[in-house]
Amino acid sequence: AQSVTQPDIHITVSEGASLELRCNYSYGATPYLFWYVQSPGQGLQLLLKYFSGDTLVQGIKGFEAEFKRSQSSFNLRKPSVHWSDAAEYFCAVGGPGGGADGLTFGKGTHLIIQP
Amino acid sequence: KAGVTQTPRYLIKTRGQQVTLSCSPISGHRSVSWYQQTPGQGLQFLFEYFSETQRNKGNFPGRFSGRQFSNSRSEMNVSTLELGDSALYLCASSRDGANQPQHFGDGTRLSIL
Repeated sequence: AQSVTQPDIHITVSEGASLELRCNYSYGATPYLFWYVQSPGQGLQLLLKYFSGDTLVQGIKGFEAEFKRSQSSFNLRKPSVHWSDAAEYFCAVGGPGGGADGLTFGKGTHLIIQP
Repeated sequence: KAGVTQTPRYLIKTRGQQVTLSCSPISGHRSVSWYQQTPGQGLQFLFEYFSETQRNKGNFPGRFSGRQFSNSRSEMNVSTLELGDSALYLCASSRDGANQPQHFGDGTRLSIL
């Protein structure tokens, strides 16, 4: 069965500092990988996705993520965070086989931005 | 274009009652998926509907059901409500399937008293 682990429940970063959120996945084949962001009281917004090809993917709001098959990881990065980036971040995995299990999400990382 | 719309935004029910939640997907999207979000279990896949047929189902009891109409709008029904059903229920739509990039609504917050 597919699974996602986000090791960090909370991360605190100073405004303007760089950010890396960790994500490890388990999937039996080449996965589809996603990062979503959720602000309080709202649904999830897609930041970026990886299906195949270039392992470094660019997303919205200045985010990027790198797929590393050997480490089963898909970490999210941003060079300089803004106070508006404070939110809950979810990594998700799916498969090309029609989505029988839907997307499997990690438990999320709560990002706190210090002024 | 309009995003995914879920109604109502908030619901309060008591144990034993049933509830129906509604979701209008983005125009042109044929796949509608439902997720339950709780602090303890996180986001869990309930089921997916595609062209009026349930195509995929997560590990939830039969009290959770849904349907999709010819205009792709979807409803989710929960019968015999339990306290543990209190959650944020999120609907997501995509053009082709539950494993594709999903566009989420803002959810329905269901509270069971």
